[in-house]
Amino acid sequence: KAGVTQTPRYLIKTRGQQVTLSCSPISGHRSVSWYQQTPGQGLQFLFEYFSETQRNKGNFPGRFSGRQFSNSRSEMNVSTLELGDSALYLCASSLLGTENTGELFFGEGSRLTVL
Amino acid sequence: KQEVTQIPAALSVPEGENLVLNCSFTDSAIYNLQWFRQDPGKGLTSLLLIQSSQREQTSGRLNASLDKSSGRSTLYIAASQPGDSATYLCAVEGADSWGKLQFGAGTQVVVTP
Repeated sequence: KAGVTQTPRYLIKTRGQQVTLSCSPISGHRSVSWYQQTPGQGLQFLFEYFSETQRNKGNFPGRFSGRQFSNSRSEMNVSTLELGDSALYLCASSLLGTENTGELFFGEGSRLTVL
Repeated sequence: KQEVTQIPAALSVPEGENLVLNCSFTDSAIYNLQWFRQDPGKGLTSLLLIQSSQREQTSGRLNASLDKSSGRSTLYIAASQPGDSATYLCAVEGADSWGKLQFGAGTQVVVTP
């Protein structure tokens, strides 16, 4: 059974550009969450989607956005990139989708470097 | 606001010793607590999930306990091996969190041969 797949794995952008990251969840999983990991802040929650609806959002500026498609695949977009957006972006999927999401399975992440 | 703390931040043990990793959280209103492992530059690997109604979970050499009332969880790794070297993170999911896990900063473990 394939795990959570994130693409691209590595990317370099310059300030002011935008970036789109993709996540394919484990087959059958309908909840997808996104996290940002940096050495200084650790793991921080970005947002969660279930059945194409954003159900929860972390404390990030509006430059960070996401969406989920009918096949549960998800994308996140960061516009007007800043140096501080350099991070490992992790996607996680979960089978459950009711009051809580249950066990989360993470992908390998997309390493974004902003120059 | 939920805060998750992991102590110690780093730990080095000789091969064969048992590992004890601690996690504490401030708000006992949680749905579950999950332990993860992260190797350098990699994603997170789920180790154990403990539902709020459970006291412990076991998988192979791993055992995790949960005491909601005191806001604590402990991960035990028996007979450590060099391959256990990694950063271990605990995370809690709150009552209305929907996919939002609150993570600790992690404990970096080195098991020396």
